[in-house]
Amino acid sequence: DGGITQSPKYLFRKEGQNVTLSCEQNLNHDAMYWYRQDPGQGLRLIYYSQIVNDFQKGDIAEGYSVSREKKESFPLTVTSAQKNPTAFYLCASSTSGTKHTEAFFGQGTRLTVV
Amino acid sequence: DAKTTQPNSMESNEEEPVHLPCNHSTISGTDYIHWYRQLPSQGPEYVIHGLTSNVNNRMASLAIAEDRKSSTLILHRATLRDAAVYYCILRKSGGYQKVTFGTGTKLQVIP
Repeated sequence: DGGITQSPKYLFRKEGQNVTLSCEQNLNHDAMYWYRQDPGQGLRLIYYSQIVNDFQKGDIAEGYSVSREKKESFPLTVTSAQKNPTAFYLCASSTSGTKHTEAFFGQGTRLTVV
Repeated sequence: DAKTTQPNSMESNEEEPVHLPCNHSTISGTDYIHWYRQLPSQGPEYVIHGLTSNVNNRMASLAIAEDRKSSTLILHRATLRDAAVYYCILRKSGGYQKVTFGTGTKLQVIP
């Protein structure tokens, strides 16, 4: 079945370590997104990518990095520079052409930094 | 980017209709109105979207004001599984759309 997969579902890391969250989609979508969600809050945009080898900062990009080497994959690295990395991270994808469709979300990765 | 405003929370009795409002007074002519919902500890899922006309699908109905400055998501018979946070967002037509979310409305369904 087509969809968007995030792994792992739960991730624990020690403070000061970089960690990479995986996001893969087989929907042939051009656009992909990373969001962060804190308890009781809405989604905040970290990075987004329209096409392969191109990405843009969202509203809270500091302390994060991304790459888009393949259309299917958009990994997010949470670096040691991110002051408060413990959060629920969501990846999404959508078409970016003229046809207007919805965005599809993964099930999220809950990152806990201890 | 045009913003949306939603109530923080709402309650509904099970089996009754629910009307979830959204204000988007700065909406532009190319903005589509999208609704998503998020169950606890899950990613958001698409519910419905529209541009000018009211829309219906198997999940819900979307009523859009004539001036497009507000819209209402209608769940015809609320069930316990409809308890979620509902997000109203605006997305532009064509090309790339940066998708941003607010805090949404937390819907509680009372048995």
